[in-house]
Amino acid sequence: QQQVKQSPQSLIVQKGGISIINCAYENTAFDYFPWYQQFPGKGPALLIAIRPDVSEKKEGRFTISFNKSAKQFSLHIMDSQPGDSATYFCAASVNTGNQFYFGTGTSLTVIP
Amino acid sequence: ETGVTQSPTHLIKTRGQQVTLRCSSQSGHNTVSWYQQALGQGPQFIFQYYREEENGRGNFPPRFSGLQFPNYSSELNVNALELDDSALYLCASSFSNYEQYFGPGTRLTVT
Repeated sequence: QQQVKQSPQSLIVQKGGISIINCAYENTAFDYFPWYQQFPGKGPALLIAIRPDVSEKKEGRFTISFNKSAKQFSLHIMDSQPGDSATYFCAASVNTGNQFYFGTGTSLTVIP
Repeated sequence: ETGVTQSPTHLIKTRGQQVTLRCSSQSGHNTVSWYQQALGQGPQFIFQYYREEENGRGNFPPRFSGLQFPNYSSELNVNALELDDSALYLCASSFSNYEQYFGPGTRLTVT
């Protein structure tokens, strides 16, 4: 049973465009929602995270939108660059340091 | 401040053998979690160690076991290896309930 559902599986965006990745969850006990970026052969790197007491968090070109009532959250990458080409994972946990439930990943390709 | 390190980088084992993977947590971190990432999938939680005690376990059989040492480094041991154990094994460290940071992983191939 997939605790966190992620879409799309793959995404192709032109340089300068907006990349949007969506995740949905069922467990209302989740209270920490990080996004990780993973390059081939590397471990996931923490990109940005949000808690359910806010609806949006922005760090540079990366924004998380959170909809608690719909149990959905999304990652927006503004002004997408070829260097952003990677696999992105959403995750959820009950408390920051506890086990993460990861989505299945989105492979992003930014075309120059 | 050093990040999370894992060894070895790559490993090839035969079905039925045993393997030990190692993780050094980031400086100041006291919690280590292990994840298995199959090709094209998201990481799956194996277990977590906090102050040398197991602090949660995912849906993995007992042949997956671990240890955490007083310096907070950790080992993952897998006995009776199966072909499906081929994956990237990731270690993540954190300080109690703060953000988790992942190491580069160990690529295990079982033939």
